Amino acid sequence: NAGVTQTPKFQVLKTGQSMTLQCAQDMNHNSMYWYRQDPGMGLRLIYYSASEGTTDKGEVPNGYNVSRLNKREFSLRLESAAPSQTSVYFCASSESRTQYGYTFGSGTRLTVV
Amino acid sequence: AQSVTQLGSHVSVSEGALVLLRCNYSSSVPPYLFWYVQYPNQGLQLLLKYTSAATLVKGINGFEAEFKKSETSFHLTKPSAHMSDAAEYFCAVSKTGANNLFFGTGTRLTVIP
Repeated sequence: NAGVTQTPKFQVLKTGQSMTLQCAQDMNHNSMYWYRQDPGMGLRLIYYSASEGTTDKGEVPNGYNVSRLNKREFSLRLESAAPSQTSVYFCASSESRTQYGYTFGSGTRLTVV
Repeated sequence: AQSVTQLGSHVSVSEGALVLLRCNYSSSVPPYLFWYVQYPNQGLQLLLKYTSAATLVKGINGFEAEFKKSETSFHLTKPSAHMSDAAEYFCAVSKTGANNLFFGTGTRLTVIP
């Protein structure tokens, strides 16, 4: 099925470990996003990529890096995981104009112990 | 600046009763408005969107929302709740030229049999 694919679905890390969350979309969308979801806080934007070759910080970028590998793929890296990064991470994609809304992946549930 | 306020983090209704989930937005220009639904352990799915066409927008699963500029509101309604409507609902706002959507903190809907 067409859409946004995230891997892995679940991950447990020890404090200080690193990992990369993968995201790929097959809808030929220009823009891609990484959000984190925490109870009572809704979705907060970590980073976004308006088009291939560009990335920009969102609301909560500290502790994260991103790579827009090509038009399809947008990865999120935690260099040194901290317990505060325990969250559910969602990748999304959209046409260039936000009036069309987003298509979301199914999420990655990350626990840092 | 754009923002969204969802009144009520939890709403409970009886099966068959009216569902009303409230969303108020702030935007300096005409907005694009969205409602997303999230079922347990899943990603967000677009319910409906307002993009400056008809002010009453119909979405999937019998939901609809009305854009009221004078009240800066975009409340979500459904005439008769079904058990399968139990989920978390997010309101989001964007505008022309914006790079991303801004999400509310969500409302968890419980349907009582």
